[in-house]
Amino acid sequence: SQQGEEDPQALSIQEGENATMNCSYKTSINNLQWYRQNSGRGLVHLILIRSNEREKHSGRLRVTLDTSKKSSSLLITASRAADTASYFCATDAKAAGNKLTFGGGTRVLVKP
Amino acid sequence: NAGVTQTPKFQVLKTGQSMTLQCAQDMNHNSMYWYRQDPGMGLRLIYYSASEGTTDKGEVPNGYNVSRSTTEDFPLRLLSAAPSQTSVYFCASSSGQLGTDTQYFGPGTRLTVL
Repeated sequence: SQQGEEDPQALSIQEGENATMNCSYKTSINNLQWYRQNSGRGLVHLILIRSNEREKHSGRLRVTLDTSKKSSSLLITASRAADTASYFCATDAKAAGNKLTFGGGTRVLVKP
Repeated sequence: NAGVTQTPKFQVLKTGQSMTLQCAQDMNHNSMYWYRQDPGMGLRLIYYSASEGTTDKGEVPNGYNVSRSTTEDFPLRLLSAAPSQTSVYFCASSSGQLGTDTQYFGPGTRLTVL
């Protein structure tokens, strides 16, 4: 079963636009991570946000966490063609034995 | 540092064959993981190891086996390949325990079972 579910499943935007994707989860978490996967490659860690944090930034990335709604969002500002990838949220929850549980991902296409 | 390496990159097996997917990391990480990724889906944990000499089952362990005899290596064995094991397999490692830290992924092994 998947703890995290991303929404939307796919997103198509023009270069320069912002891309927002959401992740909802079911049980209380210790932290939530976002990863990027380029086609045919392994996952690359983007950002980790702990359960007591509400917002984190890293370059053009902004992640928010709302533990009351059990949801997180990833915002990519001023998108570039190189941001074309799949983005996955992964939760670390005691209920899951403190192992990372990945969602199904959001496929983002940035058109030049 | 090479990070996490996996071999082979591609493999085709016939039903019933066995094989070992190799994974190695040179970051002196305690924890290592094996995931499988099916088309259009996220990753599912097969096995993990919190430290050398220990292993534990993940979400989908049936048909697989692992060992962790060194800190660097974490091979995954397919005991008797089945078409349902056609997937992309990723190995990962992290310095901390289980889900608390960043995981570093290898490039993956694309396995097809005929």
